[in-house]
Amino acid sequence: EDQVTQSPEALRLQEGESSSLNCSYTVSGLRGLFWYRQDPGKGPEFLFTLYSAGEEKEKERLKATLTKKESFLHITAPKPEDSATYLCAVHSDYKLSFGAGTTVTVRA
Amino acid sequence: DGGITQSPKYLFRKEGQNVTLSCEQNLNHDAMYWYRQDPGQGLRLIYYSQIVNDFQKGDIAEGYSVSREKKESFPLTVTSAQKNPTAFYLCASSIYSKIGGMVGNQPQHFGDGTRLSIL
Repeated sequence: EDQVTQSPEALRLQEGESSSLNCSYTVSGLRGLFWYRQDPGKGPEFLFTLYSAGEEKEKERLKATLTKKESFLHITAPKPEDSATYLCAVHSDYKLSFGAGTTVTVRA
Repeated sequence: DGGITQSPKYLFRKEGQNVTLSCEQNLNHDAMYWYRQDPGQGLRLIYYSQIVNDFQKGDIAEGYSVSREKKESFPLTVTSAQKNPTAFYLCASSIYSKIGGMVGNQPQHFGDGTRLSIL
């Protein structure tokens, strides 16, 4: 069975303090790893798809990387508006398997 | 603007009652999905549909039912058989592609959810 584990569960950062979120996975035949951002009371918002080890994607202050066993979401010089829960999901066969998420709080 | 609309935003269910959650999309996506989100857990797949008039059970289908009569609509009914229905329900859609017999890995796009509670 596919497994996705995200760490840490919660992360409190000062504005400008860079950090990384981890997503480790076990899947039979990875066919895509997805990162989403979720604000309270809202649906997840798609950020990135990574398909193969070594691949990197960037969007503003966010950068996602992928290895054969894990993915990292790096937040560079975060701002308070980056506060959200970040979800990782892996795609194998017909479905996505989600991690429980990392809740990031950025203080001004 | 294209997107996914879920309604209502909040819903309350009485004992023994069936309730239906609406999901409509205007993204022209073939595939649609229903997930349940509980605190501290990842999203769990309830049902999915890759094409009109066809749908499949996900990991936690017991106590739920769906229909897919139109491409843009995928309503979810939470039946009285679902004993723990309190959760945040999310609908998603994606492009469906099958290459070489394998389902394509397209990103799913989500609505803003329906929060269901027990009265």
